[in-house]
Amino acid sequence: EIVMTQSPATLSVSPGERATLSCRASQSVSTNLAWYQQKPGQAPRLLIYGASTRATGIPARFSGSGSGTEFTLTISSLQSEDFAVYYCQQYNNRYTFGQGTKLEIK
Amino acid sequence: EVQLVESGGGLVQPGGSLRLSCAASGFTFSSYSMNWVRQTPGKGLEWVSHISGSSGNIYYSDSLKGRFTISRDNAKNSLFLQMNSLGVEDTAVYYCARPGTTATGTWAFDIWGQGTMVTVSS
Repeated sequence: EIVMTQSPATLSVSPGERATLSCRASQSVSTNLAWYQQKPGQAPRLLIYGASTRATGIPARFSGSGSGTEFTLTISSLQSEDFAVYYCQQYNNRYTFGQGTKLEIK
Repeated sequence: EVQLVESGGGLVQPGGSLRLSCAASGFTFSSYSMNWVRQTPGKGLEWVSHISGSSGNIYYSDSLKGRFTISRDNAKNSLFLQMNSLGVEDTAVYYCARPGTTATGTWAFDIWGQGTMVTVSS
């Protein structure tokens, strides 16, 4: 099983600032990597697939990068609605999720 | 509108069984593989099972130890998860999720249901 490790567990950032979230795979997943946003009481929402392609309707302030085992989700200028939990997921070999990064207001 | 609606969750005693359903609408259900994903209270997401559009390919998480069975009825646009020998560790919100492509294989999930809560407790 491919293990996905996200860091940090919690990230405190002020509105308007940039947030950088990391995800590492225990073995290469090529670019078969997705990012999801989840707010309390809601289902996850797809943000990024193919490591860097924004899903339909996702604002341009969200960007993804990386390949192989190292991936990054960047939110360029945090809005109030961006404070949530973010998960990475590999779909190169079945599916595995990371444990999540909670993005909180500083 | 593309939509997935889960049902069938509830309270069950350890060792019991439960069958979850997911009703799909707004897309050609038979063209898409489907998945179940669960989320334990206060914790992260865990993929449970995958079934191809024709039911020809089925995968399960190794952690389930053969206790769950995924199936689908394309005529009724429905996905199912039969869960047997339930333990307290199976307590979670169970989501059905659709990949963003009709292509075979694995893909990111672009459509999720609202989830159904399963509580295993005596």
